[in-house]
Amino acid sequence: EAQVTQNPRYLITVTGKKLTVTCSQNMNHEYMSWYRQDPGLGLRQIYYSMNVEVTDKGDVPEGYKVSRKEKRNFPLILESPSPNQTSLYFCASSPPARDFSYNEQFFGPGTRLTVL
Amino acid sequence: GQNIDQPTEMTATEGAIVQINCTYQTSGFNGLFWYQQHAGEAPTFLSYNVLDGLEEKGRFSSFLSRSKGYSYLLLKELQMKDSASYLCAAVDSNYQLIWGAGTKLIIKP
Repeated sequence: EAQVTQNPRYLITVTGKKLTVTCSQNMNHEYMSWYRQDPGLGLRQIYYSMNVEVTDKGDVPEGYKVSRKEKRNFPLILESPSPNQTSLYFCASSPPARDFSYNEQFFGPGTRLTVL
Repeated sequence: GQNIDQPTEMTATEGAIVQINCTYQTSGFNGLFWYQQHAGEAPTFLSYNVLDGLEEKGRFSSFLSRSKGYSYLLLKELQMKDSASYLCAAVDSNYQLIWGAGTKLIIKP
């Protein structure tokens, strides 16, 4: 089954404790992206990747890191989480951005993160 | 700057028709997406428009006017399961998605 998976789905942690949220897709998509979603603000892009070893900042990259060593995986790293990073996080993938006109993004199930 | 506007919340009655509007201002334009998102779940694709006009898909239709920077999603024969948020997203000249904050649709019996 074609899908985007994220782990963990729920996480409660404390300020300053490094964490990683994994994202994996099995559709051979080149483009992957991380979003956070907060009430009233909609989806805001954190980082995106056009292909392996190519990553770029989105609208709200501060406090986050990503890596793209393999095509299928795109982990999100919070080196020193803070309470303002409490949010619902979505990973998404799609075929190449140049073909964006014809292909939607596929979203993972989401990770609800609480930082105390 | 780039901006997407859509109403925060709308209420409609089961069996009725509702139109959710979206206006956009982007640097270049390569189409507009509509997604549905149930509470706590991932967004799922509904429609994509790049040319002016109406595209119909069952109970859902989406309209685009590029000259007016305007789109709407039309939902017919509303069902309780249509209670969700509806997200509008425009594709800019760099093929990046610019997302609206979403419209929460409440369906009443």
